[in-house]
Amino acid sequence: QQPVQSPQAVILREGEDAVINCSSSKALYSVHWYRQKHGEAPIFLMILLKGGEQKGHDKISASFNEKKQQSSLYLTASQLSYSGTYFCGTENSGGYQKVTFGTGTKLQVIP
Amino acid sequence: SQTIHQWPATLVQPVGSPLSLECTVEGTSNPNLYWYRQAAGRGLQLLFYSVGIGQISSEVPQNLSASRPQDRQFILSSKKLLLSDSGFYLCAWSPRAGHGYTFGSGTRLTVV
Repeated sequence: QQPVQSPQAVILREGEDAVINCSSSKALYSVHWYRQKHGEAPIFLMILLKGGEQKGHDKISASFNEKKQQSSLYLTASQLSYSGTYFCGTENSGGYQKVTFGTGTKLQVIP
Repeated sequence: SQTIHQWPATLVQPVGSPLSLECTVEGTSNPNLYWYRQAAGRGLQLLFYSVGIGQISSEVPQNLSASRPQDRQFILSSKKLLLSDSGFYLCAWSPRAGHGYTFGSGTRLTVV
């Protein structure tokens, strides 16, 4: 079952914040977050393994609510380089780490 | 350090022709390997994954097959391409559960 992301698209001015949500209808073992620039391969941002875990990388962080089967990606003080499509990926068991990717959120940061 | 190579970068093939895309990983052993396809403006669809030599799991029944003849080599094939096989094909690897994926640079396939 493909996780659902929201919003589908968002436009930010430099310095503004954004939140991207990812929800699954199945129990989650882990949530991945990736960013993809146009025409390029996705780049791994972070993985969250435990319920309630929060991770951060520079001004990008994420939370994982295992009980609600949801994850959120937080982008603070956005930069032009943050533009791209963000995908969450969910893993429903800890076996072969088979990740199902969400529908994607297109983020555009403008000056 | 580990690297992943995928080729070719672009490919234009006629309907009914065969396909072979290759992916190799360096600097690690026994990686989990994956093939994804991305239609234009869409998400990533898992096609095949492998946890070891000769072990292939298929996610979506379709006109494609995969093989893993060596530990760090993953091949995507088709005997006869369809127009609907067009897309951006991405190979990825991961050391094990609890780690993110590293994607290859992708192959843009256009079937004409």
